[in-house]
Amino acid sequence: DIQMTQSPSTLSASVGDRVTITCRASQSMSKWLAWYQQKPGKAPKLLIYEASTLRSGVPLRFSGSGSGTEFTLTISSLQPDDFATYYCQQYLSYSLTFGGGTKVEIK
Amino acid sequence: EVQLVQSGAEVKKPGESLRISCKGSGYNFPNYWIAWVRQMPGKGLEWMGFIYPADSDTRYSPSFEGQVTMSVDKSIHTAYLQWNSLQASDTAMYYCAREDEVLRPDDMKERGGLGYWGQGSLVTVSA
Repeated sequence: DIQMTQSPSTLSASVGDRVTITCRASQSMSKWLAWYQQKPGKAPKLLIYEASTLRSGVPLRFSGSGSGTEFTLTISSLQPDDFATYYCQQYLSYSLTFGGGTKVEIK
Repeated sequence: EVQLVQSGAEVKKPGESLRISCKGSGYNFPNYWIAWVRQMPGKGLEWMGFIYPADSDTRYSPSFEGQVTMSVDKSIHTAYLQWNSLQASDTAMYYCAREDEVLRPDDMKERGGLGYWGQGSLVTVSA
């Protein structure tokens, strides 16, 4: 099984900050990585797929990069609506794995 | 509009059986993979498995193989997740989600992540 390691697990930041979350895979998965945002009591929301493609309707302050085994999600200027938990997920095959999550908190 | 609507919250006793549902609408239901995802209280997301409604091709996570059964009734656009004997450790929110397809200029399709999610079904197992 592919293991996904996200860091940090918690991040404290202020509105307007640039935020970066990292996801490392236990083996290469090319571009087959997605990022999700989840708010308390809600279902996750897909933000980015294929490592760097922004899903339609997602604000441009979100971006993804990386390939192989190391990937990042960047929020260029943190907004109040962005305080949430973020998950990476690999889909190299029809056996998915999520990262452990990164909770973005208000500083 | 693509929608996945899940069945409501359930409270069960250990040893009881349960089937929860996920009804898709607004798209060609048979031709998109449906995933089931578990989220235990205060914890992260865990992929349980996939089912392809057109032919019921099913892929289970090793962690859930033998513990749950995924099925589908494509005639009513509904996917199911079933337990034969619940345990307290099955207490969790369960989500269904549809995998997106990305159409390339050469008409090839690629996978695009879990783009649509149900609202979740809360399962509580307690004596």
